[in-house]
Amino acid sequence: KAGVTQTPRYLIKTRGQQVTLSCSPISGHRSVSWYQQTPGQGLQFLFEYFSETQRNKGNFPGRFSGRQFSNSRSEMNVSTLELGDSALYLCASSPGTSGFTDTQYFGPGTRLTVL
Amino acid sequence: GQSLEQPSEVTAVEGAIVQINCTYQTSGFYGLSWYQQHDGGAPTFLSYNALDGLEETGRFSSFLSRSDSYGYLLLQELQMKDSASYFCAIKAAGNKLTFGGGTRVLVKP
Repeated sequence: KAGVTQTPRYLIKTRGQQVTLSCSPISGHRSVSWYQQTPGQGLQFLFEYFSETQRNKGNFPGRFSGRQFSNSRSEMNVSTLELGDSALYLCASSPGTSGFTDTQYFGPGTRLTVL
Repeated sequence: GQSLEQPSEVTAVEGAIVQINCTYQTSGFYGLSWYQQHDGGAPTFLSYNALDGLEETGRFSSFLSRSDSYGYLLLQELQMKDSASYFCAIKAAGNKLTFGGGTRVLVKP
């Protein structure tokens, strides 16, 4: 099976702009989670989508939003970009149906730089 | 909320054994996972412990003590390719996966 894919891989934006990142999960996986990784804060959970519904949400401001489509592909949007949003954004998929033991399969990430 | 603590860096030579400890504080604990991430790469799953005890997968083993809120990842017969960051993660109340800050393992020849 093909792995998790994310597009674009690299992105440069300026403060105040908005950005949309895309994630295609492993075929058959219905859960997609998003994480932000920075040197200072480590890996932080943003949100999880399952069957087109947000199932869990981390502690991020409302500028961070997401959605999931019927084919399980997911997008994440960040509005009004700030310098502190510069990070590696990782998407992870899992079957989503085995409860709390779901292994996360990560994509390569999108490196976002905000200038 | 949840919090995890693990050492920031460990250095060892090829062939050695390294133990990465992870202590956590949380409510509604379900299990402890470990992930490996090479520089520039994506995290990859290594192991999961839901019950107390040792889980062995090849050269890597993971241990959990729920009563002590403590776990560790043991890397045996270290190889150069094991140089990477290792993250412990817990899934607890709210079904959110919380990661530790990561331990950078540097393997020297």
